[in-house]
Amino acid sequence: LAKTTQPISMDSYEGQEVNITCSHNNIATNDYITWYQQFPSQGPRFIIQGYKTKVTNEVASLFIPADRKSSTLSLPRVSLSDTAVYYCLVGWEYNFNKFYFGSGTKLNVKP
Amino acid sequence: ETGVTQTPRHLVMGMTNKKSLKCEQHLGHNAMYWYKQSAKKPLELMFVYNFKEQTENNSVPSRFSPECPNSSHLFLHLHTLQPEDSALYLCASSQAAGAGDDEQFFGPGTRLTVL
Repeated sequence: LAKTTQPISMDSYEGQEVNITCSHNNIATNDYITWYQQFPSQGPRFIIQGYKTKVTNEVASLFIPADRKSSTLSLPRVSLSDTAVYYCLVGWEYNFNKFYFGSGTKLNVKP
Repeated sequence: ETGVTQTPRHLVMGMTNKKSLKCEQHLGHNAMYWYKQSAKKPLELMFVYNFKEQTENNSVPSRFSPECPNSSHLFLHLHTLQPEDSALYLCASSQAAGAGDDEQFFGPGTRLTVL
């Protein structure tokens, strides 16, 4: 059961702002939206989480429209070290007792 | 450093061997997880332990056997594995399984190769 849809890959250049959008049409009322970053051969790392509107921390911003059927992770001024896979997770699948990671978005930052 | 450690980091084993993967978390969390990540595939949840009780087994073959002696330690016992079991095995922990706003902290993983 795939709850989220993300682009498979994206390219960017150093210094640019990158926006990765995730669709989650079946989001439930109590679901939070969480983004993780994963480098090759490492475990995923939490980036940001939100429920509605906008959330900002020291590494990213998360924009969530009023209907919450999508969300956009915004990475300001990316660098080469931001090359990674980014996963959008929605809520907790009570039926399957798990978070569904999906395939993620492979971001490739070029010099 | 996420507060979750895994050993060994790399493991090569034959199909008839028995080995164990170890995970330890120093975060005071109550939930621990085993994930499998094969090349070019999404993370697959294998097992969930919440307050030392196994709450989920996502149709994992019996050649994988988890053990959670306490909230800080999680093991994955391996026996008679197949080459297709070669993958990165990730351990994670969180405050408590089932919370929609829970954040999972992942270990560095064990790269397993089955010959």
